[in-house]
Amino acid sequence: QVQLQESGPGLVKPSQTLSLTCTVSGGSITSGDFYWSWIRQPPGKGLEWIGYIYYSGITYYNPSLKSRLIISVDLSKNQFSLELSSVTAADTAVYFCARGGSAYGFDMWGQGTLVTVSS
Amino acid sequence: DFVMTQSPDSLAVSLGERATINCRSSRSILYSSDNKNYLAWYQQKPGQPPKLLIYWSSIRESGVPDRFSGSGSGTDFTLTISSLQAEDVAVYYCQQYYNISLTFGQGTKLEIK
Repeated sequence: QVQLQESGPGLVKPSQTLSLTCTVSGGSITSGDFYWSWIRQPPGKGLEWIGYIYYSGITYYNPSLKSRLIISVDLSKNQFSLELSSVTAADTAVYFCARGGSAYGFDMWGQGTLVTVSS
Repeated sequence: DFVMTQSPDSLAVSLGERATINCRSSRSILYSSDNKNYLAWYQQKPGQPPKLLIYWSSIRESGVPDRFSGSGSGTDFTLTISSLQAEDVAVYYCQQYYNISLTFGQGTKLEIK
């Protein structure tokens, strides 16, 4: 059974870069026709797709975040990562990593990690 | 942009009764080459990640109780819970995966009346 786990700092200062990693266990990040995604949820609000990456390195980003966003993959560690630069309080959210497929949306999710942007 | 709009924002239903949640896409998410609607429904309980319930607008994910069903095509979709159970209290989201820029509805909060 594939599992995903987010890791990274829970507190980031305004204007700095938010960095998170998702570790995939129980299966290879290269197997199957999956995309590996980041999704966030501000406290008490709805879900916002951030972007995704294929194991080949091809990425697709939410246009509203594209200028500040980098998603990368490390096949040797079975991980993919998120970097969001120039953060503000509006970037405070629970950040989820998830596995997606072109046929079904997101079928596997991490538990999520709360990132607070504050000085 | 594919804007997904759910209605209502919140809903209270008695145990054992039917619950219906609607989702409308600003553009059709029916892919003509395979005649499939690229729409998924998720259930999110407090403190948990979303759980995939339905994909291709009407296919239940493995292990999802058959009281959950999805219907609709093109731009208008419905999630129905045929007989509400206490454990169904949650927020429900629709999501389109037709376009590479993925989008979610704003969510519908389902409570017990």
